[in-house]
Amino acid sequence: QVQLVESGGGLVKPGGSLRLSCAASGFTFSDHYMSWIRQAPGKGLEWISYINPRSTYTNNADSVKGRFTISRDNAKNSLYLQMNSLRAEDTAVYFCARDRYASCSNSVCYEGPYYGLDVWGQGTTVTVSS
Amino acid sequence: DIVMTQSPLSLPVTPGEPASISCRSSQSLLHSDGHNYLDWYLQRPGQSPQLLIYLSSNRASGVPDRFSGSGSGRDFTLKISRVEAEDVGVYYCMQALQPPRTFGHGTKVEI
Repeated sequence: QVQLVESGGGLVKPGGSLRLSCAASGFTFSDHYMSWIRQAPGKGLEWISYINPRSTYTNNADSVKGRFTISRDNAKNSLYLQMNSLRAEDTAVYFCARDRYASCSNSVCYEGPYYGLDVWGQGTTVTVSS
Repeated sequence: DIVMTQSPLSLPVTPGEPASISCRSSQSLLHSDGHNYLDWYLQRPGQSPQLLIYLSSNRASGVPDRFSGSGSGRDFTLKISRVEAEDVGVYYCMQALQPPRTFGHGTKVEI
């Protein structure tokens, strides 16, 4: 079935780094943009980053710009989030989600139909604390 | 960034009765393709969010028809025709017109 499974969360000290992974199955991973969304304890949802199928376009929220890097490996059906210079306020559950379709030819992608963030993983918890 | 404002923040409901949540964006979500890029998500307690409505009024696969979305431009509404016990949780609207995508603060629905 269509599934996303995050991993890589844990406890890290302020200023430290962590790499999250999201394993996709049950659909053609390379046809979709993919997003990361996080949720701080007791708070709402915050979209933080997305990437197009060929990794030629990414966009990040200001709160993580310059510190977090999204990437993907279509051969491994995997999405990643490299998190550097972590702060206490980065403590959250991190979700990956399937985003819109894209039509790509070589490295050029065109946005396809949008059907919402229709598949979400179960989340992985990141705690930044000394 | 587009700011999303939901109301109310908390909504007590009665099973079998209708319920409604509003979402307003700081700028129009109407794209040149004719669609309004507004989604609704439900996060049940202890679960991941799930998509209910995309492009303002399209129900996601498997979503009961008691859920409906409407609106255009800056003002949007999610309606539940007859609330059921499983509908409790936090409802979020999200704009997907332009990055960064932004969510409303959420509406907590409880019985």
